[in-house]
Amino acid sequence: GAGVSQSPSNKVTEKGKDVELRCDPISGHTALYWYRQSLGQGLEFLIYFQGNSAPDKSGLPSDRFSAERTGGSVSTLTIQRTQQEDSAVYLCASSPKVGLRGYNSPLHFGNGTRLTVT
Amino acid sequence: AQSVTQLGSHVSVSEGALVLLRCNYSSSVPPYLFWYVQYPNQGLQLLLKYTSAATLVKGINGFEAEFKKSETSFHLTKPSAHMSDAAEYFCAVSENRDSGNTPLVFGKGTRLSVIA
Repeated sequence: GAGVSQSPSNKVTEKGKDVELRCDPISGHTALYWYRQSLGQGLEFLIYFQGNSAPDKSGLPSDRFSAERTGGSVSTLTIQRTQQEDSAVYLCASSPKVGLRGYNSPLHFGNGTRLTVT
Repeated sequence: AQSVTQLGSHVSVSEGALVLLRCNYSSSVPPYLFWYVQYPNQGLQLLLKYTSAATLVKGINGFEAEFKKSETSFHLTKPSAHMSDAAEYFCAVSENRDSGNTPLVFGKGTRLSVIA
């Protein structure tokens, strides 16, 4: 079946421009995560959506970052006024919710969007 | 807050040799622990997970990991390395709290090279 799909796969933008990154999770998965992967830094948690609950935004690095999830499916991560330090691979993952606690469900990752800010 | 430390950003082994990738975690409550693998130009995929059942966990491709609470470790091993095991490996932890589990926190990764 289809996995997590992210678009675009690569994005080059000029410093100061806004960018939107898209994630299509696996159908039926209620949990959706955004992570940022920088060279030598591992994966940095950004934001988490679970069903209709308020998203966990505790990982967003600044107010230039925001995300929404429409209709409990597709998610868009927006970065405003991009800076060079925003250059990274942005990974989206989804998972089914198991019982009352969904975080321990395995995450299914997309291939990421490589963002380069020049 | 929970955290993960992976010792060694790069490990190199000969084909057929033992693979040992180290992971230590910090958590104030019982953790859930995971190993993910990222092959070149591919997304991350789950290797194995520990969620408070058996302390020795077996995963895909012959990998296994042992949860040792006294050492706060969850090291990943494979008895005999194969060329196809060359990849980046990430250890991750989630805290099992009464209010729910926390998002996965990942280590910085260990790149495994396998030499013929």
